[in-house]
Amino acid sequence: GAGVSQSPSNKVTEKGKDVELRCDPISGHTALYWYRQSLGQGLEFLIYFQGNSAPDKSGLPSDRFSAERTGGSVSTLTIQRTQQEDSAVYLCASSLAVAHTDTQYFGPGTRLTVL
Amino acid sequence: GQNIDQPTEMTATEGAIVQINCTYQTSGFNGLFWYQQHAGEAPTFLSYNVLDGLEEKGRFSSFLSRSKGYSYLLLKELQMKDSASYLCAVPGAGSYQLTFGKGTKLSVIP
Repeated sequence: GAGVSQSPSNKVTEKGKDVELRCDPISGHTALYWYRQSLGQGLEFLIYFQGNSAPDKSGLPSDRFSAERTGGSVSTLTIQRTQQEDSAVYLCASSLAVAHTDTQYFGPGTRLTVL
Repeated sequence: GQNIDQPTEMTATEGAIVQINCTYQTSGFNGLFWYQQHAGEAPTFLSYNVLDGLEEKGRFSSFLSRSKGYSYLLLKELQMKDSASYLCAVPGAGSYQLTFGKGTKLSVIP
């Protein structure tokens, strides 16, 4: 079956512009996570969604970052007024449910470069 | 808080065995994951351990000692395609997101 998909695969933008990154989770997966991976760093949690519950936004680094998930499926991560330190690979993952034992399946990521 | 340590890089020879260690500190334990990530690709799931001991899955095995806060990934009969980063991760105590180590970059040489 289809895995997690993300678009665009690469995004180059100018400092100060807004960007939107999209994630399509595996069909039937109720949990969706966003992480980012900076050069030489581990994956850093940003936000997760579970069904219709309020998202856990505890990992968002600033109020320039926001995310939404429409209809319990597709999610969009928005970064406003991008800064050079936002340059990273943004990874989306989904899991069947939210449980400690549930495996998270990752998409290929969006590589964001802020000039 | 949570903290995970792994060696940054390792090199091993094709056909050999390599052990990648991971030590963790967490306020509550809910298992430990290993992922493989080839350069420029998504992390892919390898294993999940929640009980002490060794779990074998083909050429890959994963070990956990909860009392020592320690895990390792054992790769046997190394192949060139095993060159990748190996990520150790633990779920939060009261949350479900994963905290990842910085990963161990394994280079397999002929």
